[in-house]
Amino acid sequence: NAGVTQTPKFQVLKTGQSMTLQCAQDMNHNSMYWYRQDPGMGLRLIYYSASEGTTDKGEVPNGYNVSRLNKREFSLRLESAAPSQTSVYFCASRGLLRDSPPTQHFGDGTRLSIL
Amino acid sequence: KQEVTQIPAALSVPEGENLVLNCSFTDSAIYNLQWFRQDPGKGLTSLLLIQSSQREQTSGRLNASLDKSSGRSTLYIAASQPGDSATYLCAVNQAGTALIFGKGTTLSVSS
Repeated sequence: NAGVTQTPKFQVLKTGQSMTLQCAQDMNHNSMYWYRQDPGMGLRLIYYSASEGTTDKGEVPNGYNVSRLNKREFSLRLESAAPSQTSVYFCASRGLLRDSPPTQHFGDGTRLSIL
Repeated sequence: KQEVTQIPAALSVPEGENLVLNCSFTDSAIYNLQWFRQDPGKGLTSLLLIQSSQREQTSGRLNASLDKSSGRSTLYIAASQPGDSATYLCAVNQAGTALIFGKGTTLSVSS
């Protein structure tokens, strides 16, 4: 059981380049999330998708777009990368709140550097 | 706006000690509270989840408590081991959607 899989694990971009971070889960979860983790800031929510076909902004959505391609996959796109987007990006998924327990499961992260 | 604070930011203890990590949150209207472990360069591993109606949860040497009215949770680690060295994150689920995280406590257990 792979859980939450993120690709790539590492990436270096130049300012202005675009890229898409991929995330897939095999737990049949409805909700999926993208967070970024920065030193001294903790994890902050970028976007989330409560169910297939829906997406909503989180705390720090500027500069990002997302696509919930199907129930399994939730991608994060940087259209024009900026040095301020250098971070570690985590994807997570969760089943229904009534699940026992309704734990969020995290991928191993994508370490992104923008020069 | 919900804010989650973890104290201390870092903690160093010798092997075998019992220790307590603290988490506080400003808005008591939460669905649940979750404790995670993060090893350097790795993702987050869920340790314990406490529903808003519960007071505590236990898993092995770990015990997490929740006092929703006072906005506090503690993670108790018994008989600490060097393998417990990691960053411990507290997060609250407020609106049934995403988690709001504290900045973590980095624990170092020396042998």
